Amino acid sequence: EDKVVQSPLSLVVHEGDTVTLNCSYEVTNFRSLLWYKQEKKAPTFLFMLTSSGIEKKSGRLSSILDKKELFSILNITATQTGDSAIYLCAVEEKGGTYKYIFGTGTRLKVLA
Amino acid sequence: GAVVSQHPSRVICKSGTSVKIECRSLDFQATTMFWYRQFPKKSLMLMATSNEGSKATYEQGVEKDKFLINHASLTLSTLTVTSAHPEDSSFYICSASRGVNEQFFGPGTRLTVL
Repeated sequence: EDKVVQSPLSLVVHEGDTVTLNCSYEVTNFRSLLWYKQEKKAPTFLFMLTSSGIEKKSGRLSSILDKKELFSILNITATQTGDSAIYLCAVEEKGGTYKYIFGTGTRLKVLA
Repeated sequence: GAVVSQHPSRVICKSGTSVKIECRSLDFQATTMFWYRQFPKKSLMLMATSNEGSKATYEQGVEKDKFLINHASLTLSTLTVTSAHPEDSSFYICSASRGVNEQFFGPGTRLTVL
C-alpha cells in the first residue's frame, strides 16, 4: 500500500533554532515529491522535488530528495514565529491516473 | 486510519456537461471537508469549506452556482462542476477534518473538459 509518513508529528522550537522535517514514502510509481506549508486557508506550495541529491532553496528553507532511501527532508534555519504552521509532504504518482498521497503533516510551533 | 478517497480519479467530459466528484472519509467521520483546486506550479486554492448538513462556505471568487458542494453525511461530500468548460480543467483535491487544525487529503481528481 502506497504511503507517505512524516516525522515528527509535532515540534516546538525557539526562534533562531534550525529544524529538520522528515518525509518518507513508499510509492509504486514515483513522479515527484512536494512540500507545502499550511497556515490558514490553502496549503502554500514550497518545493517540488523530482531528482535525488539536488537541493532546492528558498530563503531560510531548503529541501532535498533521496530516491534511493525514499525520503526527503525540509530544513528551516533561523526559525521565526511566522514559520509556525503545518508542513505537508505529498508524493505525486505517475501513470495514467494522477494521484497524490499526502502525509499527515508535521505541526511546527516556533516560540518567541 | 484517517483515509480519504476521491472518485473518480480522472474524468474527461464534453463542454457543457456536469461532473460530480465524490470525497469520502473511509474510516472516520469528517465534520468538515474542504475542496481545493490545483493551479499550475502546484499551488492549491481553497474553493470552499463544507460542514455536514449545512451550506458550504465558498471562498471569494468561487462561483457557488457553478461549483455545487453537498456534504450529505459525515463521510461524504460531493463537488459538482456544472456546465463545465475547458477552463475548469484542473486537479481537484478534497480534504477531511475531524477536528481543529487537522486535515487528511484525498488523492485528487483530474478533470479534463474538452
